[in-house]
Amino acid sequence: SQTIHQWPATLVQPVGSPLSLECTVEGTSNPNLYWYRQAAGRGLQLLFYSVGIGQISSEVPQNLSASRPQDRQFILSSKKLLLSDSGFYLCAWNPWTGGTEAFFGQGTRLTVV
Amino acid sequence: AQSVTQPDIHITVSEGASLELRCNYSYGATPYLFWYVQSPGQGLQLLLKYFSGDTLVQGIKGFEAEFKRSQSSFNLRKPSVHWSDAAEYFCAVGARGGKLIFGQGTELSVKP
Repeated sequence: SQTIHQWPATLVQPVGSPLSLECTVEGTSNPNLYWYRQAAGRGLQLLFYSVGIGQISSEVPQNLSASRPQDRQFILSSKKLLLSDSGFYLCAWNPWTGGTEAFFGQGTRLTVV
Repeated sequence: AQSVTQPDIHITVSEGASLELRCNYSYGATPYLFWYVQSPGQGLQLLLKYFSGDTLVQGIKGFEAEFKRSQSSFNLRKPSVHWSDAAEYFCAVGARGGKLIFGQGTELSVKP
């Protein structure tokens, strides 16, 4: 069966520090991968999605970037964090064929101080 | 552009009472529709989904939802709420490429 792992679960980082959040999926090949951010009272905002290695689409302009160095690995990064980057970050996947629900990781709570 | 609206930010119901959470969507074609639930600090769990066919879909934990094309709605219902149902609920529409567009969420509180 497929599983998705996301880490760390919580992170407190100072303003201006770098960020790296990692997400891996097991038990499937060539998944679509997504990064969502959940800010308080603002629902889930799609940040990035990827349909294959090295293929990243950005949904909103921001201080973050994403990379997909391997088929089942998706990384969210920042060179210099801002206070506004605080939030709950969720990684998700669905089959490359699309047309199904997305399966979510447990999330990372990022607090920028 | 696709969008999802959940008009109720917060709802409080008494345990044992019925529940209906509203969801309206905007999408050009026949939509894929989903309801997810999120417990505090956790990821999202799928409650139910609609792709085609019967417009009344059954999900886990006793939830159901009805797709009404004429009203562009996909409301979530449960006949009798349990205290463990307290959580945040998200409605979503499946967009091109497999992306999900989410509503703002409805936080459900349950009174004993």
